[in-house]
Amino acid sequence: GAVVSQHPSWVICKSGTSVKIECRSLDFQATTMFWYRQFPKQSLMLMATSNEGSKATYEQGVEKDKFLINHASLTLSTLTVTSAHPEDSSFYICSAHRDPYNSPLHFGNGTRLTVT
Amino acid sequence: QKEVEQNSGPLSVPEGAIASLNCTYSDRGSQSFFWYRQYSGKSPELIMFIYSNGDKEDGRFTAQLNKASQYVSLLIRDSQPSDSATYLCAVNRDPNSGNTPLVFGKGTRLSVIA
Repeated sequence: GAVVSQHPSWVICKSGTSVKIECRSLDFQATTMFWYRQFPKQSLMLMATSNEGSKATYEQGVEKDKFLINHASLTLSTLTVTSAHPEDSSFYICSAHRDPYNSPLHFGNGTRLTVT
Repeated sequence: QKEVEQNSGPLSVPEGAIASLNCTYSDRGSQSFFWYRQYSGKSPELIMFIYSNGDKEDGRFTAQLNKASQYVSLLIRDSQPSDSATYLCAVNRDPNSGNTPLVFGKGTRLSVIA
């Protein structure tokens, strides 16, 4: 069964508004979670690494003030897309290692964001 | 040179045939290797992982790793139309540091023709 839960599955919002996406580890504690983004017919791109109790680490080219990450507990990380624009429309996916060191990444079901 | 390379495809095989998906990686220090399947509009799901040179079999799937050649492959036997998807190769560059993201290839699109 699923080990990482992501909510919502899809969201449509108006340009200029903010959207929050939640990612939960279901039966394990995740001190680190990873947020990916995927545009249609393109590869997964890592956006940021979410660290429980500390600041997220963002990949080059990802605006930290636009994509706010909060990892307030060992089972929950949130990604907030602030002042969303149509070009932010994408598939956002969170993931976590169930066990550290050499283990696979488990992905949430993803969130399809459409900004109108 | 890209870190993880895959042929984008599409790779078309007839139903019942063996599909062979290939992946090369650039970092010799990579220790663990993963194959994910991604259906259109869905998130990736783990198919197999392999850490040691050689073959690893799980049902219709066989992962093959050759660290000397920096090459990892996935074989799908008795291919079914439901196997039609994009297959992502992923590599963990630095597993000893604990929680690290995986580096993904761009994926190979497989089409199994009934």
